[in-house]
Amino acid sequence: DAGITQSPRHKVTETGTPVTLRCHQTENHRYMYWYRQDPGHGLRLIHYSYGVKDTDKGEVSDGYSVSRSKTEDFLLTLESATSSQTSVYFCAISGQGWDYGYTFGSGTRLTVV
Amino acid sequence: DQQVKQNSPSLSVQEGRISILNCDYTNSMFDYFLWYKKYPAEGPTFLISISSIKDKNEDGRFTVFLNKSAKHLSLHIVPSQPGDSAVYFCAASPNSGNTPLVFGKGTRLSVIA
Repeated sequence: DAGITQSPRHKVTETGTPVTLRCHQTENHRYMYWYRQDPGHGLRLIHYSYGVKDTDKGEVSDGYSVSRSKTEDFLLTLESATSSQTSVYFCAISGQGWDYGYTFGSGTRLTVV
Repeated sequence: DQQVKQNSPSLSVQEGRISILNCDYTNSMFDYFLWYKKYPAEGPTFLISISSIKDKNEDGRFTVFLNKSAKHLSLHIVPSQPGDSAVYFCAASPNSGNTPLVFGKGTRLSVIA
């Protein structure tokens, strides 16, 4: 039921290089989120968007930027990748009503070497 | 400071028995609580939710209990099945809008056949 897809699924990159992860949705949902999952930390919010060109920072936003030029796409950019940004990144979308929660993508595993 | 705490990193239960996963929160503004289930190499999936106006919500084998005075919620799975083996995340939000969810660190449940 892929209303949300993330690309790439896996990426290895070198320290200091910029990296962009893409989240694409077909549900026309207004809200989109980027989380990272790390052992011992659970899911932590990086940035989120409440509409085209409307974004805000989350708990762990340092070193990351986002852009949303279309409803369906939410891009996460690591401006200069560091080893501490090795993680699994999840995008989520939010529909009508809180009680349905978020729909998450399958994740992007990023390794910074 | 962690606002949503899952103090048990792991839990092991025999098939057919009850699994009880616990979650504590510190922010008294939280009014909506959700549980997510995550299998390896997949994104988290929504499981069940509860609003602070209720103290219990049931969906098949899954029941969530909320004790607002103790700032505590629990997820009960009865009977537990091997397919329930996954990481379970507790999440909370202060309102019914799209304020980003705050997640706990997760509890890994292993159901032993």
